[in-house]
Amino acid sequence: QVQLVQSGAEVKKPGASVKVSCTASGYTFTGYYLHWVRQAPGQGLEWMGWINPNSGGTNFVQKFQGRVTMTRATSISTAYMELSGLRSDDTAVYYCARDRSGLHHDAFDIWGQGTMVTVSS
Amino acid sequence: EIVLTQSPGTLSLSPGERATLSCRASQSVSSSYLAWYQQKPGQAPRLLIYGASNRATGIPDRFSGRGSGTDFTLTIRRLEPEDFAVYYCQQYGNSRTFGQGTKVEIK
Repeated sequence: QVQLVQSGAEVKKPGASVKVSCTASGYTFTGYYLHWVRQAPGQGLEWMGWINPNSGGTNFVQKFQGRVTMTRATSISTAYMELSGLRSDDTAVYYCARDRSGLHHDAFDIWGQGTMVTVSS
Repeated sequence: EIVLTQSPGTLSLSPGERATLSCRASQSVSSSYLAWYQQKPGQAPRLLIYGASNRATGIPDRFSGRGSGTDFTLTIRRLEPEDFAVYYCQQYGNSRTFGQGTKVEIK
């Protein structure tokens, strides 16, 4: 079945970097944009940006510019989100999610299970 | 950036009642690129509605969406026990933004 499986929980110190993976199965990886969304404890959903798995092109929310890198490895159908300069307010569950169609302007129909990233000294 | 404001923040209802959730955008959402998600504790969000009024695959017909421009509504016709959750709207016409969520709790 179509699914996205993410890497496991991480605990990082302030200033460190974290790299979260998202492995797709059950569909053509390069046919659908992937997005990254985070959710701080007890808070709402925050969209971070997207990657086009076909071209590798990316687009991020301005607040993450300079701190976030989104990449992919098409041979293993995996996308990565790396966040550097971690702060305590980066503590959140990070989700990857797929566009419903290949049209890019679409809702997110498949979500990963989430990766908890805790930033603590 | 399009800001989405959801109301009410919390809706206290009993099973079998009708739930009406609102999502208002700070500017017009192009082509009704508006979605609704349901999220339960410890779970990823689940797509309910896309294109303002289209039910996603496998979503029961007690869920319906309507609206255009800046005003959108999600209605749950008769609440089932499994419908008590947090609901988010999202626009995907101009970048992507989410509303702050509406919690539907058992009265």
